[in-house]
Amino acid sequence: SQTIHQWPATLVQPVGSPLSLECTVEGTSNPNLYWYRQAAGRGLQLLFYSVGIGQISSEVPQNLSASRPQDRQFILSSKKLLLSDSGFYLCAWSSTLRGERGTDTQYFGPGTRLTVL
Amino acid sequence: ILNVEQSPQSLHVQEGDSTNFTCSFPSSNFYALHWYRWETAKSPEALFVMTLNGDEKKKGRISATLNTKEGYSYLYIKGSQPEDSATYLCAFVPWMDSSYKLIFGSGTRLLVRP
Repeated sequence: SQTIHQWPATLVQPVGSPLSLECTVEGTSNPNLYWYRQAAGRGLQLLFYSVGIGQISSEVPQNLSASRPQDRQFILSSKKLLLSDSGFYLCAWSSTLRGERGTDTQYFGPGTRLTVL
Repeated sequence: ILNVEQSPQSLHVQEGDSTNFTCSFPSSNFYALHWYRWETAKSPEALFVMTLNGDEKKKGRISATLNTKEGYSYLYIKGSQPEDSATYLCAFVPWMDSSYKLIFGSGTRLLVRP
């Protein structure tokens, strides 16, 4: 069965510090991978998605970046955190079966609570 | 900007009550609509994926309907139980070249009192 891991679970970082959040998926190959953020009082916002190694699409301008160094590894980074980067970060995966784009279920990880002070 | 709205924002009901909430989305460029349930301290869990106008899906006491022409979906819970307490999210998928993007509403938070 497939599982998705995220770490760390919680993180408190000072403004201006770097960030690295990691997401890994087990039990599937060539998944689509996604990073979402939920800011306080708001819905889930798609930040990045990836359809393959080294292929990253950014959805919103921001000071965050994403990388996919391996098939089942997705990393969210920042060189210098801002207060507005605080939120709950969720990684998700879906299968890449052709013809089912947009109807594939996305499976979410446990999330990382990031507080920037 | 594609906007997905959910109402009400929160709902408190008594155990045994039936309830429903709404997801509104753009009626043009519709491709699919997803419903997720997000319990506290857990990951969002998929409930339904709906694609056809007039579609109705059911899972136990939970059902959903879809009207793509007017741009809304209803989620119904019959005989609510305390374990139904969660945030219910809908996500709209617009028709695009690469339809990987789910646009989420901010959710309806349901609390079922025993």
